[in-house]
Amino acid sequence: GENVEQHPSTLSVQEGDSAVIKCTYSDSASNYFPWYKQELGKRPQLIIDIRSNVGEKKDQRIAVTLNKTAKHFSLHITETQPEDSAVYFCAAMNSGGYQKVTFGTGTKLQVIP
Amino acid sequence: DTAVSQTPKYLVTQMGNDKSIKCEQNLGHDTMYWYKQDSKKFLKIMFSYNNKELIINETVPNRFSPKSPDKAHLNLHINSLELGDSAVYFCASSKPPDTEAFFGQGTRLTVV
Repeated sequence: GENVEQHPSTLSVQEGDSAVIKCTYSDSASNYFPWYKQELGKRPQLIIDIRSNVGEKKDQRIAVTLNKTAKHFSLHITETQPEDSAVYFCAAMNSGGYQKVTFGTGTKLQVIP
Repeated sequence: DTAVSQTPKYLVTQMGNDKSIKCEQNLGHDTMYWYKQDSKKFLKIMFSYNNKELIINETVPNRFSPKSPDKAHLNLHINSLELGDSAVYFCASSKPPDTEAFFGQGTRLTVV
């Protein structure tokens, strides 16, 4: 089955700096890679996703890159703000199969004002 | 206009009891899921249903039994609760081929 590794597990940055979270996956059949943000006591919510036919996607201050050959993908947050503080999860799935989503272990991001 | 709602939000119960968590979605999605999030925040899929049929059943004790009366509902019944069952349980739904999963607000289960 799919195995998703995520690093780092915790990340502290100064407000305004960039944050990068990296994930690797094992199943070459995975073709959809979402990123979820979970604020304290809240539900996970999708912030950005990328499909395997795209190498990079950007949405304002967040961007995701995908390297299919190396089986890794990354989340980049620029100009971080205190409200970016949360736990971020990467995930991988094969959208053509049973849509089983395998999550990474999460990264707790703290943005220091 | 809540998209995915689950009840109750908090559940405190004694070991050995049987309890249920209900989930409903009004998004017209075909696929629903149950996830368990432990104290370390790991999100692990437990079950997935597509149009009321079970399609994913991870290695979950038989004490956990999902039931889907229709494609808008997926309930989770837990028998003989154990201390290790304490966690936050999230229901979610999606509509293939769109793959974004919409999560409920979670149910914090505490077994004492």
